[in-house]
Amino acid sequence: GESVGLHLPTLSVQEGDNSIINCAYSNSASDYFIWYKQESGKGPQFIIDIRSNMDKRQGQRVTVLLNKTVKHLSLQIAATQPGDSAVYFCAETPRAAGNKLTFGGGTRVLVKP
Amino acid sequence: NAGVMQNPRHLVRRRGQEARLRCSPMKGHSHVYWYRQLPEEGLKFMVYLQKENIIDESGMPKERFSAEFPKEGPSILRIQQVVRGDSAAYFCASSRLLDTYEQYFGPGTRLTVT
Repeated sequence: GESVGLHLPTLSVQEGDNSIINCAYSNSASDYFIWYKQESGKGPQFIIDIRSNMDKRQGQRVTVLLNKTVKHLSLQIAATQPGDSAVYFCAETPRAAGNKLTFGGGTRVLVKP
Repeated sequence: NAGVMQNPRHLVRRRGQEARLRCSPMKGHSHVYWYRQLPEEGLKFMVYLQKENIIDESGMPKERFSAEFPKEGPSILRIQQVVRGDSAAYFCASSRLLDTYEQYFGPGTRLTVT
């Protein structure tokens, strides 16, 4: 079936370096993509989103890139900080899915001081 | 400006008992979604509700699980005759309108079945 998956389960990053988290999706009808951050014991927290008619979107210290040709999504975190340590999920939904989100398996980011 | 609230935060049930999980959406939100998360996995969609209506329950197990979102009060996810495999974190999210993709998540209820 359709799915969203991640390439790297764990990413160790030195504080101050940039982080890149990747995500592959298989549903060509996906219209909207979101990155969530989940800290231990908490619910997912919205980071940034992007619609399928865009290929790049920037936020504060974060950038999401969308490559529809190869169905690939990435999240870039600039100047990674200890507070960025968490599990990051990509999620997607087709317009027709009634906002039902399909989540990837998650990437754990560990920031080393 | 309270966010999505869920209670209880932790729930322990013995096999065969019933579990009731509650979710109060953000103020002004009339759409509620329930997701389940197993340890070290992503969230899996269960059900999508509006006030007094189940819109999409394609992710709900066919038996023992039910959900409601009454006109007044919180949304309830009910699991009857729980089994150990039901142990998971259950998250509720809410959104304001159908045409927005933004869903805001609550802190979750961690269900442990002993």
